[in-house]
Amino acid sequence: ETGVTQTPRHLVMGMTNKKSLKCEQHLGHNAMYWYKQSAKKPLELMFVYNFKEQTENNSVPSRFSPECPNSSHLFLHLHTLQPEDSALYLCASSQARDSSTDTQYFGPGTRLTVL
Amino acid sequence: KQEVTQIPAALSVPEGENLVLNCSFTDSAIYNLQWFRQDPGKGLTSLLLIQSSQREQTSGRLNASLDKSSGRSTLYIAASQPGDSATYLCAVSGNQFYFGTGTSLTVIP
Repeated sequence: ETGVTQTPRHLVMGMTNKKSLKCEQHLGHNAMYWYKQSAKKPLELMFVYNFKEQTENNSVPSRFSPECPNSSHLFLHLHTLQPEDSALYLCASSQARDSSTDTQYFGPGTRLTVL
Repeated sequence: KQEVTQIPAALSVPEGENLVLNCSFTDSAIYNLQWFRQDPGKGLTSLLLIQSSQREQTSGRLNASLDKSSGRSTLYIAASQPGDSATYLCAVSGNQFYFGTGTSLTVIP
């Protein structure tokens, strides 16, 4: 496992539930990311935070709400999700954005199922 | 918008064989290209990162090349082992990170 942890690892929720995904990195990085991975599709970048500031929102529906209280923690709040939101949600961190040497380190992901 | 394509989508080889995975991208304005490995149900592990000014990187049995002008990268795996079985993804870094859909590799003992 890398220095990026995610909880929970598995989550099943109904369409009316509210839940949150948590990501924590222990690498001293300044940038954090949320990705969605669906079957047979490329990873989709959802949000980017750089020094706690959101720098990218990749046209993500408002039922997904990110929160970055500090450089080590990232949350994804979920509300009124749809079955097509079922996927593996991956968190990643890197030293900084826009660097030619920037390597991303990924967490193990949260497998989300929306019933 | 940057598009990243990986061919083949799946590959099955006998143990010990050398193999090449391919990645192509449409926009050459990139900072770097990375190859990742993903085991089933797990996150991604970075294998190699090639900066835009570099041509190749090596780590153990792995060698990755980058030809920015033609928008191509290859990942060469020498003397494949069953433990190499996984999905291999390439990603390019420009104004954001763009991933391919991956190549699922199975190495048969």
